[in-house]
Amino acid sequence: EDQVTQSPEALRLQEGESSSLNCSYTVSGLRGLFWYRQDPGKGPEFLFTLYSAGEEKEKERLKATLTKKESFLHITAPKPEDSATYLCAVDSGAGSYQLTFGKGTKLSVIP
Amino acid sequence: GAGVSQSPSNKVTEKGKDVELRCDPISGHTALYWYRQSLGQGLEFLIYFQGNSAPDKSGLPSDRFSAERTGGSVSTLTIQRTQQEDSAVYLCASSEGPLVGSGGYTFGSGTRLTVV
Repeated sequence: EDQVTQSPEALRLQEGESSSLNCSYTVSGLRGLFWYRQDPGKGPEFLFTLYSAGEEKEKERLKATLTKKESFLHITAPKPEDSATYLCAVDSGAGSYQLTFGKGTKLSVIP
Repeated sequence: GAGVSQSPSNKVTEKGKDVELRCDPISGHTALYWYRQSLGQGLEFLIYFQGNSAPDKSGLPSDRFSAERTGGSVSTLTIQRTQQEDSAVYLCASSEGPLVGSGGYTFGSGTRLTVV
């Protein structure tokens, strides 16, 4: 059974204080790893897809990296508007492209 | 439309009643998914539609849950004889096709279902 574990559950940062969120996964075969951002009362918003170990993707202050067992979402010099819940999900090739999601990391950036 | 539209945004129902949740995907998207997000839990896959193929219903938690997609577009998720444990946010997502090589799903804002 595919498993995705995200840590920490919650993270408070001062504005400008860089940090990383972790996503550990166990799958039979990874077809893709996805990062989403979710704001309160909204659906998840797609950020990145990573396909193979060693791959990196960047968008503004966010950079996602992937190894064979985990992915990191690095946040550089965060701003209050980066406050959200960040979700990690894996596509293990189960056939219907359904994703297995972690429970998320709730990030709060304090001005 | 510009995004995935879900209605209603909020629904409060009495235990034992039936409810219907609607999803209008992005025009041209052939793949449509329903997920459920319960408090403190990750998103849980419910059902997948792809074009005219038979849907993947493997995530539906019980036979009280059903879904259909008419004309390859609008989808309706029906929950019969609702129970308190059905309370959750029901999210619909669509994509152009298989996820490999794509930018992931586009989610709607969800329907918050509360069973009292």
